[in-house]
Amino acid sequence: EAQVTQNPRYLITVTGKKLTVTCSQNMNHEYMSWYRQDPGLGLRQIYYSMNVEVTDKGDVPEGYKVSRKEKRNFPLILESPSPNQTSLYFCASSFRDRDSPLHFGNGTRLTVT
Amino acid sequence: KNQVEQSPQSLIILEGKNCTLQCNYTVSPFSNLRWYKQDTGRGPVSLTIMTFSENTKSNGRYTATLDADTKQSSLHITASQLSDSASYICVVSAGASGGGNKLTFGTGTQLKVEL
Repeated sequence: EAQVTQNPRYLITVTGKKLTVTCSQNMNHEYMSWYRQDPGLGLRQIYYSMNVEVTDKGDVPEGYKVSRKEKRNFPLILESPSPNQTSLYFCASSFRDRDSPLHFGNGTRLTVT
Repeated sequence: KNQVEQSPQSLIILEGKNCTLQCNYTVSPFSNLRWYKQDTGRGPVSLTIMTFSENTKSNGRYTATLDADTKQSSLHITASQLSDSASYICVVSAGASGGGNKLTFGTGTQLKVEL
């Protein structure tokens, strides 16, 4: 089944403790991206990647890191999480052409205390 | 600044009725407009994608329209079902240099379908 898989689905952590949220897709998509969704703000892009070893900042990149060493994986790293990073996170992927639909994972709900 | 505004914020309708959701945008340069459905606790799922030259596109009981001159889009849901209860998100794409898209998301319309 074609899908984008995120892990974990739920994560509670403390301020400053490094964490990684994994994202994997099995559709051979070139484009992958991370979003956060907060009430009343809609989805905001954190980072995106057009292909392996190519990443770029989105609208809200502060406090996050990503890497794209393989085509299928695009992990999101929080080196020193803070409470304002408590949010619902989505990974998405698509083919590179502009009219290709985004396929989203089912989200990771992160709470930082 | 690129913006996407959706209305209404929320809507309650009876099962079997039709409804229309609105999306206004100021995005440049326009590449395409997308509608997504997001069930509670799940990731958004693509319903339609329309380019500049398309003014209507259907996906089952969902029909999207696009007026590129007035920068407006609508999503019409026919004969609503309980399973249509979800958030509907309008997303407008601006063409980006080097390929790909710069997406601007609306905040969504929360639709509830009741018996």
